[in-house]
Amino acid sequence: QKEVEQNSGPLSVPEGAIASLNCTYSDRGSQSFFWYRQYSGKSPELIMSIYSNGDKEDGRFTAQLNKASQYVSLLIRDSQPSDSATYLCAVNRRAAGNKLTFGGGTRVLVKP
Amino acid sequence: GAVVSQHPSRVICKSGTSVKIECRSLDFQATTMFWYRQFPKQSLMLMATSNEGSKATYEQGVEKDKFLINHASLTLSTLTVTSAHPEDSSFYICSARSGGALGELFFGEGSRLTVL
Repeated sequence: QKEVEQNSGPLSVPEGAIASLNCTYSDRGSQSFFWYRQYSGKSPELIMSIYSNGDKEDGRFTAQLNKASQYVSLLIRDSQPSDSATYLCAVNRRAAGNKLTFGGGTRVLVKP
Repeated sequence: GAVVSQHPSRVICKSGTSVKIECRSLDFQATTMFWYRQFPKQSLMLMATSNEGSKATYEQGVEKDKFLINHASLTLSTLTVTSAHPEDSSFYICSARSGGALGELFFGEGSRLTVL
């Protein structure tokens, strides 16, 4: 089992709809969780960080964390074509000396 | 968010030459910086952790003599790809953490290396 797993996609979403991305992780000692957006040919850009169970909202983005089930998700409301990118889930794994471990990323395509 | 700047953004070199990439934290001090490599359509792979004032720690499988890392100050880390070969062509991205060991990681713009 990979340390951080994501569905590679592509996740195709009509403009204006909600995009739902999931991420599971294996290290129960993980303490902080991040979502990054990466456009093709660019470096990752931090979208959200979440540290405790529950939901965290920032604009059109909502991150959800469930440590008991070891998953973290990202919702993108009112999806726009500019949201088309690869979304990387990253987990701060205590077992790895608090290094950030990235999932393979989910490619999202928002169609007008 | 915190700003991390990386230079150069693109470099093309001949096989056998060395290339240096700089990474700077512009608005915070970073005792630790991280260097990642990303091949096309793949995720980020951590190469090494750069520690200010001490030796870098390398991930398994990464040659420390080939990828020289220097972290001379709290705002600057450099990665030198020595004797570059075409298989070293990749997207190299540095990052630094703001706010402690569990804090957010911010990335530089990345450096695309092409070795001919």
